[in-house]
Amino acid sequence: GAVVSQHPSRVICKSGTSVKIECRSLDFQATTMFWYRQFPKQSLMLMATSNEGSKATYEQGVEKDKFLINHASLTLSTLTVTSAHPEDSSFYICSASDRDRGSYEQYFGPGTRLTVT
Amino acid sequence: AQKVTQAQTEISVVEKEDVTLDCVYETRDTTYYLFWYKQPPSGELVFLIRRNSFDEQNEISGRYSWNFQKSTSSFNFTITASQVVDSAVYFCALSERGYSTLTFGKGTMLLVSP
Repeated sequence: GAVVSQHPSRVICKSGTSVKIECRSLDFQATTMFWYRQFPKQSLMLMATSNEGSKATYEQGVEKDKFLINHASLTLSTLTVTSAHPEDSSFYICSASDRDRGSYEQYFGPGTRLTVT
Repeated sequence: AQKVTQAQTEISVVEKEDVTLDCVYETRDTTYYLFWYKQPPSGELVFLIRRNSFDEQNEISGRYSWNFQKSTSSFNFTITASQVVDSAVYFCALSERGYSTLTFGKGTMLLVSP
């Protein structure tokens, strides 16, 4: 149990376009979802925390207008990178908390590798 | 504020050697959770263990063992008889009471050669 999927796994887009990444909890209800960004050979950096039905809370330094997060249901959160630039190329990972298992546990998706040309 | 330090950036060992990955944490809370994750080249994070601050018992799972010492704020991870498949980046992480936000260390890249 506690499976989280991400789609797409890889995406290449042109500079200036927008790209949407989906994060789904497949077998549990996720009251909270998290979005991380990981540059090559670096650690995971939390971008934002998303609670179902409410606005996401962004970490300091993360542009909320550039990284749009929507958590419309208990099983789906989306991250949209708007007007993407090459410096947005990164590995994006989502995770979800299962309220039935305790809020301290996070289950991670497999990640999405974004390349902006 | 919480902090996790993994001082070892990269470790190289030969297969069958034992290796210990260090993790030192800082927190003001008395209730917290510590985690270890493995990230192979594919990128997916693999959960290895969760330990709460009230449980200082060491844990062994196959070739993996963890040594949690509150006195030194450390939560070290040992792989016994390492194998090539153990090659990955290993992250230590901390979560404080009541919050599911994880603070990750910078990770230790382990390279096990045949």
